[in-house]
Amino acid sequence: GNSVTQMEGPVTLSEEAFLTINCTYTATGYPSLFWYVQYPGEGLQLLLKATKADDKGSNKGFEATYRKETTSFHLEKGSVQVSDSAVYFCALSEDTGFQKLVFGTGTRLLVSP
Amino acid sequence: DVKVTQSSRYLVKRTGEKVFLECVQDMDHENMFWYRQDPGLGLRLIYFSYDVKMKEKGDIPEGYSVSREKKERFSLILESASTNQTSMYLCASSQTSGGLSETQYFGPGTRLLVL
Repeated sequence: GNSVTQMEGPVTLSEEAFLTINCTYTATGYPSLFWYVQYPGEGLQLLLKATKADDKGSNKGFEATYRKETTSFHLEKGSVQVSDSAVYFCALSEDTGFQKLVFGTGTRLLVSP
Repeated sequence: DVKVTQSSRYLVKRTGEKVFLECVQDMDHENMFWYRQDPGLGLRLIYFSYDVKMKEKGDIPEGYSVSREKKERFSLILESASTNQTSMYLCASSQTSGGLSETQYFGPGTRLLVL
């Protein structure tokens, strides 16, 4: 079946450092790809998404490019802030007659001043 | 802004109790979902509803049931709570129109402890 693999966390960075969180997927067909973020004590919220190969999703300084040849959707940010500390989930959508999201296990990011 | 609310942030229940988790969305979304979130496992889909009174099983429906009597409300029911149902429960909603690329909007979650 379809699956999403994320790098193990936590990822610990200093403020203004460059961030990469790796995400690879296994899927049949052409899923849409998502990054959701969960801030402490909150539910998940969409960070960005891409719907087809070579699309780049971006939001709040974060970017991810849908790479079909490497089945990847890595999340990047050029300069992280303390407020970016959160858990990041990579996900893909399956077409099972309805939109079913398959999530990775999540990567915790800790940014220190 | 879409708002998804869940009836409780924290619940403590005893083994064997019947537990109701309520979710309400205010954006007239057709689809509603219940997930559980566990460390190291990410989010797993329990049940999904695409219309009033309609439901579909997700990946882990055993021990759970759902009810959707009104479009804005989706309830998760633990018929007889067990300790292995201790978890964070997240409700989400979405429109149908965007298809596979549609955004799901999540509530803040209910952390359930079953003793």
